[in-house]
Amino acid sequence: DSGVTQTPKHLITATGQRVTLRCSPRSGDLSVYWYQQSLDQGLQFLIQYYNGEERAKGNILERFSAQQFPDLHSELNLSSLELGDSALYFCASSAGQGGGEQFFGPGTRLTVL
Amino acid sequence: EDQVTQSPEALRLQEGESSSLNCSYTVSGLRGLFWYRQDPGKGPEFLFTLYSAGEEKEKERLKATLTKKESFLHITAPKPEDSATYLCAVQTLNSGYSTLTFGKGTMLLVSP
Repeated sequence: DSGVTQTPKHLITATGQRVTLRCSPRSGDLSVYWYQQSLDQGLQFLIQYYNGEERAKGNILERFSAQQFPDLHSELNLSSLELGDSALYFCASSAGQGGGEQFFGPGTRLTVL
Repeated sequence: EDQVTQSPEALRLQEGESSSLNCSYTVSGLRGLFWYRQDPGKGPEFLFTLYSAGEEKEKERLKATLTKKESFLHITAPKPEDSATYLCAVQTLNSGYSTLTFGKGTMLLVSP
């Protein structure tokens, strides 16, 4: 158990809908990272937050947004969902903002029908 | 653009049959190289960090090594419980911040 929690574990929704994925980092970690994993693309970095502030940005679509709250938990919002957004979404955390050793949560499996 | 290529894509071994997984990278400035293990439907689990060429790290049956262009994950006398996908990632600068770029992984299956 990495200490990173994610909810929900599974999410099934329809195209055009909006969903919110939630992540709580390990105790003491200030950075949260979001990743998308699909069979063809592998693990793709989306965005990083450090102590409530946005830091690095990866290949995150404009339909996706994230935030980190004062209690350090983070939410990833996905809107106008398309079939191609079906994937595993992982959250990871680390102590600093240097993007080094990251600890991953169990993931949320999103299925868009 | 930073690139990480892992080979082979899949590897099947008999229990006790040692082998190596390869991770080659093309980056503008390597800050660190990471190995993770991922079981099906689970999040990646951190294994090793390597920072400079010549560095080696060991954990049980696994040993990771690093050169200027690639890293190897050596698996000695593997057991069925070593079956998993092994991911390699490089830490580089992204708009002034360090991030990880992952390879697509090597799926290892160890048969008893």
